[in-house]
Amino acid sequence: EDQVTQSPEALRLQEGESSSLNCSYTVSGLRGLFWYRQDPGKGPEFLFTLYSAGEEKEKERLKATLTKKESFLHITAPKPEDSATYLCAAWTSGGYQKVTFGTGTKLQVIP
Amino acid sequence: NAGVTQTPKFRILKIGQSMTLQCAQDMNHNYMYWYRQDPGMGLKLIYYSVGAGITDKGEVPNGYNVSRSTTEDFPLRLELAAPSQTSVYFCASSYSSREQPQHFGDGTRLSIL
Repeated sequence: EDQVTQSPEALRLQEGESSSLNCSYTVSGLRGLFWYRQDPGKGPEFLFTLYSAGEEKEKERLKATLTKKESFLHITAPKPEDSATYLCAAWTSGGYQKVTFGTGTKLQVIP
Repeated sequence: NAGVTQTPKFRILKIGQSMTLQCAQDMNHNYMYWYRQDPGMGLKLIYYSVGAGITDKGEVPNGYNVSRSTTEDFPLRLELAAPSQTSVYFCASSYSSREQPQHFGDGTRLSIL
């Protein structure tokens, strides 16, 4: 059974304190790894897709990386507006549009 | 630019009642999806559609039905509501399969009592 595990469950950072969120996956036939941001009461907002080990993508203070077993979302010098829940999801080969989501890391950035 | 619009935002149902969750997108996307999100759990795919007239089951389809008569609309039907269907429901869309859901609506929060 495909599994996606995110850690930590919650993370509290001071403004400017860089850190990383982890997404480890055990799946068959990874086709892509997605990162989303979700604000309270809202739907997930797409951030990145990574397709192969070694790939990196950046957007403002966020950088996502991918290895054969895990993905990291690095947050550099975070601001309070980066506070949200970050979800990762593994897109795999399957009979339907099989995407396995993790349960998310809730990030709080304190001014 | 509205994106993906879901209605209603909140609803309380009694056990055994029926209802339809509405989803509309104005981006001319081919693919549309319904997910449910339960506390402490990852999003689960209920049904998806690759185009008008074509739908297929996802991971957790039992108790739900869908139809796709137009490119824009993808309603989700609950026929006999059960407490286990209490959840937040998200509709999503993407232009192609490779892009996967890039656009989500803001959800419908459904409680069944």
